[in-house]
Amino acid sequence: AQSVAQPEDQVNVAEGNPLTVKCTYSVSGNPYLFWYVQYPNRGLQFLLKYITGDNLVKGSYGFEAEFNKSQTSFHLKKPSALVSDSALYFCAVRDLGYNKLIFGAGTRLAVHP
Amino acid sequence: DGGITQSPKYLFRKEGQNVTLSCEQNLNHDAMYWYRQDPGQGLRLIYYSQIVNDFQKGDIAEGYSVSREKKESFPLTVTSAQKNPTAFYLCASRAVLAGDNEQFFGPGTRLTVL
Repeated sequence: AQSVAQPEDQVNVAEGNPLTVKCTYSVSGNPYLFWYVQYPNRGLQFLLKYITGDNLVKGSYGFEAEFNKSQTSFHLKKPSALVSDSALYFCAVRDLGYNKLIFGAGTRLAVHP
Repeated sequence: DGGITQSPKYLFRKEGQNVTLSCEQNLNHDAMYWYRQDPGQGLRLIYYSQIVNDFQKGDIAEGYSVSREKKESFPLTVTSAQKNPTAFYLCASRAVLAGDNEQFFGPGTRLTVL
């Protein structure tokens, strides 16, 4: 079965420092991977996706993610964190039937001034 | 939150009542989805629809019902059979032309049972 895991409930980073939010996946076949961000009491916003091609994917708001097939990971990164990046981040993988996304439990990112 | 609207933003329900959450999209997307979000549990799929007049159960469909009479609308009814309905409900839609398309989410409805 397709699944994703976000091993950290919360990540704390100082403003200006690089940030990483981890995601690992388990799929049959080639993975289609996504990252979303959620601000309090709001819907999810799409950040980026990996379908095929370059392992480093660039997305919105300066975020990027690195696809690593051997480690089955798709970690979200940003070179310099902003306080405004504080939010809940979800990793997701497309299911085998292509109709649904399977979401991880989410990681709360807290960026401190 | 793109072209997806959800109403109301906040909803209060007495035990034993059915309530209907609205979801409308103007993105001309074929597929629509309903998720439930509880603290610490991420998003769980309730129902989804790939085309008008057709829908499938997700992982937690018990106590919920949906309809898809129009392409742009996918209302969710939370019935009295749902024992713990207090949660944040999110609607999403997706273009079906290619399987790699991302889902777009509405702003959500927070349902509280009194």
